[in-house]
Amino acid sequence: EPEVTQTPSHQVTQMGQEVILRCVPISNHLYFYWYRQILGQKVEFLVSFYNNEISEKSEIFDDQFSVERPDGSNFTLKIRSTKLEDSAMYFCASYPGVTDTQYFGPGTRLTVL
Amino acid sequence: GENVGLHLPTLSVQEGDNSIINCAYSNSASDYFIWYKQESGKGPQFIIDIRSNMDKRQGQRVTVLLNKTVKHLSLQIAATQPGDSAVYFCAENQRTGGFKTIFGAGTRLFVKA
Repeated sequence: EPEVTQTPSHQVTQMGQEVILRCVPISNHLYFYWYRQILGQKVEFLVSFYNNEISEKSEIFDDQFSVERPDGSNFTLKIRSTKLEDSAMYFCASYPGVTDTQYFGPGTRLTVL
Repeated sequence: GENVGLHLPTLSVQEGDNSIINCAYSNSASDYFIWYKQESGKGPQFIIDIRSNMDKRQGQRVTVLLNKTVKHLSLQIAATQPGDSAVYFCAENQRTGGFKTIFGAGTRLFVKA
């Protein structure tokens, strides 16, 4: 069964450094998403992406964040200058555009020191 | 694990008993609701969904009930098994262009063998 994959599984970085989290959505899906989950809290929407542009973003998704689909398969989330409070699990999801079900990846744990 | 949270409501049930997990949603305009299961260190996993024109939907061992009058959603798990131990999130899809998924706070289910 097709699945969303994410790399790396765990990323440790120093405060102020840039990180890029990578996702490979399911191949025939049209919509792509990033969510984050701070330890012990609920999953929070960050951004949705369709037709090579952002379709919606939350208040969390400020100028430090950006997303890109550099080729036909990868979907990336970049954090330009990480802060301690960016430490969280980051989940990528994709959606085929036909049903309403999103498919989530296994997540990347980001630790900012 | 990912969902260690002192403030997460917890439901503890005996193996073989039925479990009921409740959730209140926020937006009366939401038309699609989902229950996700999240095991430690993993991404949210789709369990069952329901549209707003229904009040009940059954899957394999799981039933979702929707009460739009009071904006309440519940997940019933029949004959709960140790493998059902996880955090369960209700979620609502809000359509704005594509859609985004808004997650509830989560309930930890602990199944005693």
